[in-house]
Amino acid sequence: DSGVTQTPKHLITATGQRVTLRCSPRSGDLSVYWYQQSLDQGLQFLIQYYNGEERAKGNILERFSAQQFPDLHSELNLSSLELGDSALYFCASSDFSLRGSTVNTEAFFGQGTRLTVV
Amino acid sequence: DQQVKQNSPSLSVQEGRISILNCDYTNSMFDYFLWYKKYPAEGPTFLISISSIKDKNEDGRFTVFLNKSAKHLSLHIVPSQPGDSAVYFCAAHQTGANNLFFGTGTRLTVIP
Repeated sequence: DSGVTQTPKHLITATGQRVTLRCSPRSGDLSVYWYQQSLDQGLQFLIQYYNGEERAKGNILERFSAQQFPDLHSELNLSSLELGDSALYFCASSDFSLRGSTVNTEAFFGQGTRLTVV
Repeated sequence: DQQVKQNSPSLSVQEGRISILNCDYTNSMFDYFLWYKKYPAEGPTFLISISSIKDKNEDGRFTVFLNKSAKHLSLHIVPSQPGDSAVYFCAAHQTGANNLFFGTGTRLTVIP
């Protein structure tokens, strides 16, 4: 158990709809990342939040948005869904704490939300 | 722009032999590299890492080698076991940039 919780685990919805994916990071982790893994593709970085603020943006479509709340949980909103949005969406968290001379950049992943758009 | 690349989408190895997974990167500012392992229906889990001040890091059957001049790292698994069958992702980090850049993954199949 990574300590990162994602809900729901599975989601089936129709094209044109809007869904919200939720992520609770590990206790104490301030950074939350969202990744998309399409069929046979690698992990595509979407967006990162750190303590409520957006820190980095990857290949995230304009139809997608995210936010991180004061309690540090995060939500990824996907709207006007298309068939090609069907994928596994992973959330990860990390603390980027300094330990000795090494920045601990290990990210812990949730089990993912499998989104199927029909 | 894919800053971290894994050019082999799949690799098959006999049980007991060595598995070598490769990863290339383009950003010379990356200073920390990680390997993640992913089983089906699970999130990736951290496997091993290496700082740019080193060229080798070993943890049991897993060794990561870093060649900074070639911007290349590799993961060696010796001996390979059927339980090692998974998708392996390499990732890179640049100090000060709070993000990990992932490769596209290599699916390793260890044949009993």
